[in-house]
Amino acid sequence: QVQLVQSGAEVKKPGASVKVSCKASGYTFTDYYINWVRQAPGQGLEWMGWIHPASGGTDSAQSFQGRVTLTRDTSITTAYMELSRLTSDDTAVYYCARVVALAGKEGSWFDPWGQGTLVTVSS
Amino acid sequence: DIQMTQSPSSLSASVGDRVTITCRASQNIGSSVNWYQVKPEKAPKVLIYAASSLQSGVPSRFSGSGSGTDFTLTISSLQPEDFATYFCQQSYMTPRTFGQGTKVEIK
Repeated sequence: QVQLVQSGAEVKKPGASVKVSCKASGYTFTDYYINWVRQAPGQGLEWMGWIHPASGGTDSAQSFQGRVTLTRDTSITTAYMELSRLTSDDTAVYYCARVVALAGKEGSWFDPWGQGTLVTVSS
Repeated sequence: DIQMTQSPSSLSASVGDRVTITCRASQNIGSSVNWYQVKPEKAPKVLIYAASSLQSGVPSRFSGSGSGTDFTLTISSLQPEDFATYFCQQSYMTPRTFGQGTKVEIK
């Protein structure tokens, strides 16, 4: 079945960087965009950016530009999200999600999502 | 950016109740709205896409409606497994913004 499996929880110090992986299986990796979303404790969902696995093209939310790097390795069907200059405000669960669209339906949606990776930033 | 204003932020309901959650977009987005269910320690799950299409495998008690700027998610008869947080999301343009979420709690 279609599945996204993320790397395990991380604890980082302020100012450090974190790199989260998202391993895709059950479909052709290069046929679907991957998006990244995070949820801070007690907060809502925040869209971070996307990567087009076929081309490597990316886009990210303005609030993360300059700090987030989205990459992929097509040989192992894995996408990566690296966030630098971490602060306590970056403590959150980070999700990857595949983008799906259907002919005749407006827009696109995220399905499935990875299980989430908790990143804790603490001194 | 398109703002998605979701209400209420939380609600208490009993098993069997009809529950309605609304989302208003800051501009006309056609039918480009999705609804997700989020439970603690679990991956978010899409329930409704393109405003009113039921995702495969999702129970038919969930339904979505609306177009333009006003959208609704309805649970016709709340079940114990439906206690969760629900988010709307617009896919009309990047950034793919979400509503603030609605936490559905047991009364």
